[in-house]
Amino acid sequence: EAGVTQFPSHSVIEKGQTVTLRCDPISGHDNLYWYRRVMGKEIKFLLHFVKESKQDESGMPNNRFLAERTGGTYSTLKVQPAELEDSGVYFCASQDRANTDTQYFGPGTRLTVL
Amino acid sequence: DQQVKQNSPSLSVQEGRISILNCDYTNSMFDYFLWYKKYPAEGPTFLISISSIKDKNEDGRFTVFLNKSAKHLSLHIVPSQPGDSAVYFCAVLGGSNYKLTFGKGTLLTVNP
Repeated sequence: EAGVTQFPSHSVIEKGQTVTLRCDPISGHDNLYWYRRVMGKEIKFLLHFVKESKQDESGMPNNRFLAERTGGTYSTLKVQPAELEDSGVYFCASQDRANTDTQYFGPGTRLTVL
Repeated sequence: DQQVKQNSPSLSVQEGRISILNCDYTNSMFDYFLWYKKYPAEGPTFLISISSIKDKNEDGRFTVFLNKSAKHLSLHIVPSQPGDSAVYFCAVLGGSNYKLTFGKGTLLTVNP
């Protein structure tokens, strides 16, 4: 069974540009999460989807971040316009509806904003 | 305001000895505790967990201990192996909230 995949693995953009990150969860997992780790700090929750619905978006930093999960399969996280402080590693995790304790993480997308 | 604290950024041990990683939390409402392991350029991988109704959970070389009165948990790895070298994150869950709250991580280096 394929794990959680994320694309791209790295992205380097200039301040003010737009970037879209993609996450493909494990097939059949209803729950999808986005997290972010800024260098040297803890991994922080951004938001949680159950199927296509946003269950909790309390961790989204501001309205420059937009997450979608149309159709309840893959998800995208768009940053527009990007700022320097958005640099970090963005992780996606998916979780089976019935298994509420294990979240499976993807390899992350390293975003660098110059 | 950090709710989960891992006060040791790094730990170095010899192969075959015990590794002890520590984690403190502030909120007594947390009821599920997890350890994740992370290699460079990979995402965190679930390692072991413990419910608040228990004080110990063991899985092979890995044991997690929970001291609720002290709001402290620890991960013991024995014997430590070079392949255990990674960053270890403590994480917590609380109530009906499914989001993980992580500590900053501890880099474990196991020397051959």
